[in-house]
Amino acid sequence: QKEVEQDPGPLSVPEGAIVSLNCTYSNSAFQYFMWYRQYSRKGPELLMYTYSSGNKEDGRFTAQVDKSSKYISLFIRDSQPSDSATYLCAMMGGSNSGYALNFGKGTSLLVTP
Amino acid sequence: DTAVSQTPKYLVTQMGNDKSIKCEQNLGHDTMYWYKQDSKKFLKIMFSYNNKELIINETVPNRFSPKSPDKAHLNLHINSLELGDSAVYFCASSQDWDRSYEQYFGPGTRLTVT
Repeated sequence: QKEVEQDPGPLSVPEGAIVSLNCTYSNSAFQYFMWYRQYSRKGPELLMYTYSSGNKEDGRFTAQVDKSSKYISLFIRDSQPSDSATYLCAMMGGSNSGYALNFGKGTSLLVTP
Repeated sequence: DTAVSQTPKYLVTQMGNDKSIKCEQNLGHDTMYWYKQDSKKFLKIMFSYNNKELIINETVPNRFSPKSPDKAHLNLHINSLELGDSAVYFCASSQDWDRSYEQYFGPGTRLTVT
């Protein structure tokens, strides 16, 4: 079992829909949880990061972490065609377990006008 | 005003050749990384340097050798290229080791080995 599992999709939604992207993980040492967005033929860019459990909101994006269930989510409200990209979740431990990022395989999202 | 740059952007070469990929960051960061993204889009860490010191050295063939001449540069040299080395290679940087959760990625180098 990989440490980070993510459904690759593709996920297709109409413009304006609420999008829910999810990842599960197995390593309880993970403390930092990130979401990166990658447009086709570009490098990943950091959208948001969360430390430990809880919610974090940034504009139309909300990240949720449930450490008890080892489950993280990214919600996109009022989705736009410009949100069409691959979304990668990433996780890492803290000083005692190393700072290497562990990525999911990414979920491909298509927002249609 | 590019933050993390890589050269070349595309690299097509034959099996058995030796090639290098260069990475530079102008963010003043202390930590730099090399990742490999395979055809299934899976992004995996290969190496990490902090202040020119090797911190992460994942299980990659020793045909891959990173070199950090200074904090702003991290190059990747690959000897005896194989078909399986075909992938997109990304360089990234973070302010320091403690802020590895906030990494800035370059545009990638698409390597094709024929």
